[in-house]
Amino acid sequence: GQNIDQPTEMTATEGAIVQINCTYQTSGFNGLFWYQQHAGEAPTFLSYNVLDGLEEKGRFSSFLSRSKGYSYLLLKELQMKDSASYLCAVSGLGAGNNRKLIWGLGTSLAVNP
Amino acid sequence: DAGVIQSPRHEVTEMGQEVTLRCKPISGHDYLFWYRQTMMRGLELLIYFNNNVPIDDSGMPEDRFSAKMPNASFSTLKIQPSEPRDSAVYFCASSPHQAEQYFGPGTRLTVT
Repeated sequence: GQNIDQPTEMTATEGAIVQINCTYQTSGFNGLFWYQQHAGEAPTFLSYNVLDGLEEKGRFSSFLSRSKGYSYLLLKELQMKDSASYLCAVSGLGAGNNRKLIWGLGTSLAVNP
Repeated sequence: DAGVIQSPRHEVTEMGQEVTLRCKPISGHDYLFWYRQTMMRGLELLIYFNNNVPIDDSGMPEDRFSAKMPNASFSTLKIQPSEPRDSAVYFCASSPHQAEQYFGPGTRLTVT
């Protein structure tokens, strides 16, 4: 079956670096997404990885290893506004069905001063 | 661009009543998704459309749920009859070809 695992909660200090891990087991793979969701708001897109390696976008970077079924989201120079839930989602779970995302339950990150 | 628009933003109804949620996707997006989010189960895909055609409705909980997309700019998700366990936040999202999904603000549904 399909399964995506991420830690439930993490805590970090303002200005620090935090790494949020995601492991997945799916029947197909067409890319991995990271989304940010603040409390009471909708998820917003952060990054997309389809090839192995690191994708950097400002303070946020995302890494993918397809052979290991593993990804991480790296947040640098943490700010208080980064306190949110971070959702990992995998796309592409079968022929002709590559628009369907399977979502992890999210990692709630608390950034403390 | 106004983004994905959903209405209503909040809905409180009694068990047994019909509930209709509405969504206007971003113009030009070919894909439309309906999700349900709860603390226990996270974000669950209910159904998605491509060019107004339902592609995968395997996530629709049961026959009480139905979704339509009569044209490229409008979709509805209907629950009839509603039950307390349907209480959740319902998101609509749209996506252009081969790209990320853009979410609407969601409808918070409470069934008493």
